[in-house]
Amino acid sequence: DAGVIQSPRHEVTEMGQEVTLRCKPISGHDYLFWYRQTMMRGLELLIYFNNNVPIDDSGMPEDRFSAKMPNASFSTLKIQPSEPRDSAVYFCASSNRGNYEQYFGPGTRLTVT
Amino acid sequence: SQQGEEDPQALSIQEGENATMNCSYKTSINNLQWYRQNSGRGLVHLILIRSNEREKHSGRLRVTLDTSKKSSSLLITASRAADTASYFCATPDSWGKLQFGAGTQVVVTP
Repeated sequence: DAGVIQSPRHEVTEMGQEVTLRCKPISGHDYLFWYRQTMMRGLELLIYFNNNVPIDDSGMPEDRFSAKMPNASFSTLKIQPSEPRDSAVYFCASSNRGNYEQYFGPGTRLTVT
Repeated sequence: SQQGEEDPQALSIQEGENATMNCSYKTSINNLQWYRQNSGRGLVHLILIRSNEREKHSGRLRVTLDTSKKSSSLLITASRAADTASYFCATPDSWGKLQFGAGTQVVVTP
C-alpha cells in the first residue's frame, strides 16, 4: 500500500487566496483525520470523518475552514480566504479503528504571505 | 490543555546510550500510543500499550504504563543517529480522538 497520500506537498499563496489541500487515505480505512502542526500550538486535530461523515469539527478554527469527504478514498480541506496565520503543516491521517493507531501522510506545508 | 505531556522537552545523547522520555496524562484511557516524527515528515506509529498492560517491547523500544500514576515511559536502547526525531505520546478520548502531547525532541550524536 502506498500509505496516506497528500497533495500538494508545498503550497505558497498570497493572503486572500483559496487553498485546497487533498488527501487519499489508506484503502479500507474508515476514519480520516485532518491535523495542523505549528511550533506555537503543536499538533491540533481539526476535523475527523468516519465512513465519510464528519464526526467532530470542533477543532476547525473558523468558518474560513471547511472539509469534505465525498467518498472513501478522497478528502479535501479548504481555506477561503487564507491568512498568514494559517501558515502551518497540515497532516491527513487514516485509521481502521477509531481510537487505535493512525497512519499519517507526509503533510502539506502551507505558507501564506 | 493537552491530554498527554511529555518530559523532557528535549534530550541530547550520544550513540549507544539509552534515551528515556516520559508522558503524563489526565483522564482514564484504554490505550496509550507513542509516535515518532522525523524532521519534515509525518508521524509514524511506534507502539501501542493497552490499559491492562504494564510493559511492552518492540525491537529497541520499551514502553511502560502506570495507570495509577497516569504516566508512561518510552525507552530507546542503544540509540542510533537515525533515532534523532521528535517523540509524541497520544491517548484517545471517549470519542476516539487522539490527544497528542507537545513531544520530546531527541538528538543522537555520533
